[in-house]
Amino acid sequence: AQSVTQLGSHVSVSEGALVLLRCNYSSSVPPYLFWYVQYPNQGLQLLLKYTSAATLVKGINGFEAEFKKSETSFHLTKPSAHMSDAAEYFCAVSLSGNTPLVFGKGTRLSVIA
Amino acid sequence: GAVVSQHPSWVICKSGTSVKIECRSLDFQATTMFWYRQFPKQSLMLMATSNEGSKATYEQGVEKDKFLINHASLTLSTLTVTSAHPEDSSFYICSARASKKWRETDTQYFGPGTRLTVL
Repeated sequence: AQSVTQLGSHVSVSEGALVLLRCNYSSSVPPYLFWYVQYPNQGLQLLLKYTSAATLVKGINGFEAEFKKSETSFHLTKPSAHMSDAAEYFCAVSLSGNTPLVFGKGTRLSVIA
Repeated sequence: GAVVSQHPSWVICKSGTSVKIECRSLDFQATTMFWYRQFPKQSLMLMATSNEGSKATYEQGVEKDKFLINHASLTLSTLTVTSAHPEDSSFYICSARASKKWRETDTQYFGPGTRLTVL
């Protein structure tokens, strides 16, 4: 069975500061890993994904994540936070492209001016 | 590309009525669609997996007679909440996985969600 743990239900950073959202996964096989962002009352938008290629994955809006098998982690980072980054972020894992996603509980990112 | 729409975006209905939610892949064919449910300030929970032309596969604890799923074509899946009750009020989100004709078959594209309120 797969699972995802997102450490910190709420993260607050200052505008311009580093964003670090943590995600640890559990999977019996090499996983597919995803980060999605959700703005209020909207669906999910894919930020980036890892599918067994390069371990450092670059996504949209300046976000990137690094797959670390030894740490079973897939943390999301952005060098400099913008006010528009304030949203809910979900880490998700799946066995393959055919299988459903298992989501973490989400981390709400607040950006302080 | 890879746009998924949902209709309606929000709906209010009376207890006991049925509500149909549509999920469409606008610019690609989706062999598989997934239906999720999201309670306020919580994560998404998978309800069912819908494959075109076959019966949906429901997750444990999801009543298939209450949440009817029909995947009639490669671009449309519908979720019907039958005899809705206030506890069915939630945010329902669908996602679609592209068919092999597309490059990124390992990605699910999400619709914008439908907020259902049952009075």
